[in-house]
Amino acid sequence: DGGITQSPKYLFRKEGQNVTLSCEQNLNHDAMYWYRQDPGQGLRLIYYSQIVNDFQKGDIAEGYSVSREKKESFPLTVTSAQKNPTAFYLCASSHGQGAGELFFGEGSRLTVL
Amino acid sequence: RKEVEQDPGPFNVPEGATVAFNCTYSNSASQSFFWYRQDCRKEPKLLMSVYSSGNEDGRFTAQLNRASQYISLLIRDSKLSDSATYLCVVNPSNSGYALNFGKGTSLLVTP
Repeated sequence: DGGITQSPKYLFRKEGQNVTLSCEQNLNHDAMYWYRQDPGQGLRLIYYSQIVNDFQKGDIAEGYSVSREKKESFPLTVTSAQKNPTAFYLCASSHGQGAGELFFGEGSRLTVL
Repeated sequence: RKEVEQDPGPFNVPEGATVAFNCTYSNSASQSFFWYRQDCRKEPKLLMSVYSSGNEDGRFTAQLNRASQYISLLIRDSKLSDSATYLCVVNPSNSGYALNFGKGTSLLVTP
């Protein structure tokens, strides 16, 4: 079945540690996205990528980094520079130009202790 | 002013009731509009796109009012399984990748 797989689903880390969240899709979508969701808040865009080897900052890119070496993969690294990393992280993909329907992974819940 | 605003609710309605949510957006040049559904601690899923002429999918009807810059979602004959958070999503540009998400409206359908 086609879809987006995020891992891990739950992650606990100590303050000051970098963390990498995995996102893989087999939908053959060109565009991929990372969003962050905090309780009672709307989704906020961290980074997006329209094509392999290219990515753009979203609204809250500070303290995060991404890579897009393969069409299927768009990992997100939460660095120690991110002041409030505890959140629900959602990866998504879409087909074609412009973000029409987004297909989301099940999310990764990061807790920094 | 926030890009996309929704009443957070919660809306508590009995089974079988009709309930409507509104969402306002600030960018008058916005091109496309969507309603997503998000269950508790799960990922959002597209419920329906919103077209200028309005559209209906079973018990769900979405409408767009460009003059007043709002979109609406009407749910008829509410089911227990409709309980979720409904996210209003606006794309400022047909070629843009940065969607604007509302914070969501929480719906609880009770027996």
